Amino acid sequence: DTAVSQTPKYLVTQMGNDKSIKCEQNLGHDTMYWYKQDSKKFLKIMFSYNNKELIINETVPNRFSPKSPDKAHLNLHINSLELGDSAVYFCASSPPIQETSSGNTIYFGEGSWLTVV
Amino acid sequence: GDSVTQMEGPVTLSEEAFLTINCTYTATGYPSLFWYVQYPGEGLQLLLKATKADDKGSNKGFEATYRKETTSFHLEKGSVQVSDSAVYFCALTTGFQKLVFGTGTRLLVSP
Repeated sequence: DTAVSQTPKYLVTQMGNDKSIKCEQNLGHDTMYWYKQDSKKFLKIMFSYNNKELIINETVPNRFSPKSPDKAHLNLHINSLELGDSAVYFCASSPPIQETSSGNTIYFGEGSWLTVV
Repeated sequence: GDSVTQMEGPVTLSEEAFLTINCTYTATGYPSLFWYVQYPGEGLQLLLKATKADDKGSNKGFEATYRKETTSFHLEKGSVQVSDSAVYFCALTTGFQKLVFGTGTRLLVSP
């Protein structure tokens, strides 16, 4: 059973479209994230949610809107897709912040490869 | 702000060679340190971690020691295999559990 699963794995879409990437974790974690990996493999956090509440929002265009219906799910919706949005998007999760003995390990999904044409 | 600096790749080695990938960091507070690995076409996997100074993380023959005095967390393996070919990311977290990644180092191992 995959601990952090995200769908779709591959997505090719046209500029201007709206698309969503779904993420689910079955680890019982309270905190979930979205990271973006660009064409040069550089990874950067986009959002972090703790118990369905937004706690980190890096400088991300407001075309990107995360939604957390419950603490096991964090979906990413992208409006008006642009060529520069082409990237790999990783969902991740981690244990509650007070469980610092875990070393704040963050567990990643397998990634969603988005290509905007 | 917090940052991680990794040696630029690619690192090209022959099978059974010794591997070192350098990683240094800058952080306020006391970060936890991680190495993640990304095999071709796959997602990120945690390779090893260390949560305090002088801790040594190890997994699959890889090791890294948290050196506070040199703010480093270099990754080493005594004998690499072709299957180790991947991109390796050094990363840190601080109290807000925000992973800050280095730029990644590609390792290519030839038979």
